[in-house]
Amino acid sequence: DAKTTQPPSMDCAEGRAANLPCNHSTISGNEYVYWYRQIHSQGPQYIIHGLKNNETNEMASLIITEDRKSSTLILPHATLRDTAVYYCMGSNAGGTSYGKLTFGQGTILTVHP
Amino acid sequence: NAGVTQTPKFQVLKTGQSMTLQCAQDMNHEYMSWYRQDPGMGLRLIHYSVGAGITDQGEVPNGYNVSRSTTEDFPLRLLSAAPSQTSVYFCASTSPVNTEAFFGQGTRLTVV
Repeated sequence: DAKTTQPPSMDCAEGRAANLPCNHSTISGNEYVYWYRQIHSQGPQYIIHGLKNNETNEMASLIITEDRKSSTLILPHATLRDTAVYYCMGSNAGGTSYGKLTFGQGTILTVHP
Repeated sequence: NAGVTQTPKFQVLKTGQSMTLQCAQDMNHEYMSWYRQDPGMGLRLIHYSVGAGITDQGEVPNGYNVSRSTTEDFPLRLLSAAPSQTSVYFCASTSPVNTEAFFGQGTRLTVV
């Protein structure tokens, strides 16, 4: 699995975009980039994933660099309820490590009024 | 749709006791897994299953057993509890459609 590096913490003003970076320089060609978040020690919640193309869903956008060594999760209009720990990881969806997620330390995102 | 249900939510054990953490999902997913999360840390994979009758070890399997007799249930057994197993345990079920993992709300276990 790819080793990922994320900043330990970030702040964001409510209503502004939150841009969370992740470095995954060792990601292999068949590994997807996944993002999950964990609010108040609840079970982690899936946000989005992608392979090489940028992805968008109702929660967020995922921008993956062309060399796939880094990505950015974008929450377009952060709210107080987006305060959470955000985890970036690589996983071989559909392959031998299907479903196996390797959680690092993540980024604590604090959204303030 | 209940998703992934874990029981109990809280448990205190004495060293040496055994117990089973229950996990059930109603989404008909083949892939299920167990993670533990220690304070201030990310989750670590204990065991996983790719379908009924098939289980395998994750990153930290020692001291835990699993079985998968049905698609719905994936219990985690602590054979002889130790203080080092004090943690929050999460069960997950993964969709084959978009590989999204659905997590339960966790079992907070304290071993004294």
